[in-house]
Amino acid sequence: EDKVVQSPLSLVVHEGDTVTLNCSYEVTNFRSLLWYKQEKKAPTFLFMLTSSGIEKKSGRLSSILDKKELFSILNITATQTGDSAIYLCALSGAGSYQLTFGKGTKLSVIP
Amino acid sequence: NAGVMQNPRHLVRRRGQEARLRCSPMKGHSHVYWYRQLPEEGLKFMVYLQKENIIDESGMPKERFSAEFPKEGPSILRIQQVVRGDSAAYFCASSPPAVNGRNEQFFGPGTRLTVL
Repeated sequence: EDKVVQSPLSLVVHEGDTVTLNCSYEVTNFRSLLWYKQEKKAPTFLFMLTSSGIEKKSGRLSSILDKKELFSILNITATQTGDSAIYLCALSGAGSYQLTFGKGTKLSVIP
Repeated sequence: NAGVMQNPRHLVRRRGQEARLRCSPMKGHSHVYWYRQLPEEGLKFMVYLQKENIIDESGMPKERFSAEFPKEGPSILRIQQVVRGDSAAYFCASSPPAVNGRNEQFFGPGTRLTVL
């Protein structure tokens, strides 16, 4: 059974700090790993990573996938209060299009 | 530029009643997924549908729950004879047909079901 573990479960930082969120996984046949940001409503798609070592960047957010060590990280630089949210890591295994989610990391950015 | 739409946003039902949750996918998306989020839990997959077909219902409880995605109209998740344990947020996601294994799923705002 596919499994996703995120750490830490919660994190409090000050504006301007840099944070690293972790996601480790177990999967039989890897297809892709996705990151979402969930505020009060819908999870919002951030990144999809399919190949190891590929770094995705979008403004202050970036993500790296290591398929050998079975983990991904999400980096947020120069954090802002608007970054406060739950960040979800999800796994898609080959042969199925369902996503397996971790429990998320709750990030709180204080002024 | 409408995203995934779900209604109602909040639904209150008494034990034993039926709950119907609706999902309209993004324009151009023919694949719909339903997930459930229990308090303090991650999102759990329930069912994956394409138009008029259930592709994967491995996450769906065997009793009381059903889903459909008709040729016309929204996808419907139906819960019969609701119990308090059904109280959760139900999210719908949609995706276009997968290309090269990519299937980014885009989520709707969810329906919060409360069973009294």
